[in-house]
Amino acid sequence: AQKVTQAQTEISVVEKEDVTLDCVYETRDTTYYLFWYKQPPSGELVFLIRRNSFDEQNEISGRYSWNFQKSTSSFNFTITASQVVDSAVYFCALSYRRTGNQFYFGTGTSLTVIP
Amino acid sequence: DAGVIQSPRHEVTEMGQEVTLRCKPISGHDYLFWYRQTMMRGLELLIYFNNNVPIDDSGMPEDRFSAKMPNASFSTLKIQPSEPRDSAVYFCASSLVGADGYTDTQYFGPGTRLTVL
Repeated sequence: AQKVTQAQTEISVVEKEDVTLDCVYETRDTTYYLFWYKQPPSGELVFLIRRNSFDEQNEISGRYSWNFQKSTSSFNFTITASQVVDSAVYFCALSYRRTGNQFYFGTGTSLTVIP
Repeated sequence: DAGVIQSPRHEVTEMGQEVTLRCKPISGHDYLFWYRQTMMRGLELLIYFNNNVPIDDSGMPEDRFSAKMPNASFSTLKIQPSEPRDSAVYFCASSLVGADGYTDTQYFGPGTRLTVL
C-alpha cells in the first residue's frame, strides 16, 4: 500500500506565482517523521525539511513554507513567488519506528517554473 | 564538512560485466542506505546498514546484486553480471540516529549514473 502519495505528477507555473505541492501519508504509528527533498535537474537529492508528528506548527523558511495537518494526514509544501531555480522534482518521505529507519518516498512532483 | 561521497559518478559497461559502486558516508553516521532511481519505478530502497550490519536487504532485486560495508567509512554495491535493465542512478545516503532513537535526516550522495549496454 502506498504510504506516501504525491498526486500531482507535474505542475507548471509562471515565475512569481505561488505553488503548493501536496503530500498525503499513511501510518498507524503515533510517532513518525516527514521530510521533503528537492531534486534539481543536476540530479542530487537535497534535504529541505524534517518534521516530527508531535510538531504541527507550520514552518516558514524564506519563500518556502510547510503546512502539516495530522487531521488530514497531509504535509504540504508551498513555494511563494516561484523562481526558475525552483524547477525540480520534489519528494515527500515518511519514516516511522515499526519499519526501523526506512524512508518511504512518494513518487515525486515535477515542478517547472516558466520565466 | 564533506557530504556523502560516491564513485564513480558515471559508469558505462557492457552486459555481463561486473560493476562496483562505492560510497563513503558522512563521518559518524550510523546508517547507510543504497537506493536505485529509475523513471519507471522511482526511488527504491535496495538495502540499508546500521553500524556496518545489513538490516534489510529485501529491496535487492536479485542475487546478482550484493552490498557490503566492511567498515564505518566505506560501502560497496556490486552487480554481477550486469544487465541493461540495471541501468539507473544509484544513490547512497547516510544518517544518524536522532536523540529520540528515531531516524534522523538522510543525506544523499550525488549518485552514480549506470548505463549497461
